[in-house]
Amino acid sequence: EAGVVQSPRYKIIEKKQPVAFWCNPISGHNTLYWYLQNLGQGPELLIRYENEEAVDDSQLPKDRFSAERLKGVDSTLKIQPAELGDSAVYLCASSLEGGLRTDTQYFGPGTRLTVL
Amino acid sequence: GDSVTQMEGPVTLSEEAFLTINCTYTATGYPSLFWYVQYPGEGLQLLLKATKADDKGSNKGFEATYRKETTSFHLEKGSVQVSDSAVYFCALWNTGNQFYFGTGTSLTVIP
Repeated sequence: EAGVVQSPRYKIIEKKQPVAFWCNPISGHNTLYWYLQNLGQGPELLIRYENEEAVDDSQLPKDRFSAERLKGVDSTLKIQPAELGDSAVYLCASSLEGGLRTDTQYFGPGTRLTVL
Repeated sequence: GDSVTQMEGPVTLSEEAFLTINCTYTATGYPSLFWYVQYPGEGLQLLLKATKADDKGSNKGFEATYRKETTSFHLEKGSVQVSDSAVYFCALWNTGNQFYFGTGTSLTVIP
């Protein structure tokens, strides 16, 4: 079974430039998560989707971050414009059906963003 | 609010040593508890989980027991190997599908 796929794995951009990250979850997984992981820290949730619907985006900085999950499968996370403080690893995860205590999240390898 | 606190790292052990990584949590209700492992250059992988009090999760020689009375979920392994070198994250899931991660504990096992 293929895992969660993310691309690109690495991205280096100048500040004020836009950037986008792509995630393909495990087939059949309804719930998709985007996390931000700073160096030496645990992941922090940015947004959670149940199918196409963003059910928790309370931690997403909406002035510069946006996300979409068309057709309830792939998802894209965008930053425009990027700032120096956005340098981090962006993780995507999926689970079969979020909301169940027995549910397990499966993580992709992440995209390491460096903003210069 | 809910939170997870795990022991500071880094931890360095010799091969075959006993490992304990402490994790305590603060939560309302009855959360599920997890340990994830992150190998260099890879994403987080579920190591083990426990969904109710007194449950013991185990995998690859690692164990953790959900202790509600002490709000703890300490990770243990009797004999670590070099291949266990990684960063370990304790995590909590609570109703409302909120996931909280600890800051991670880096483990290095030397031959």
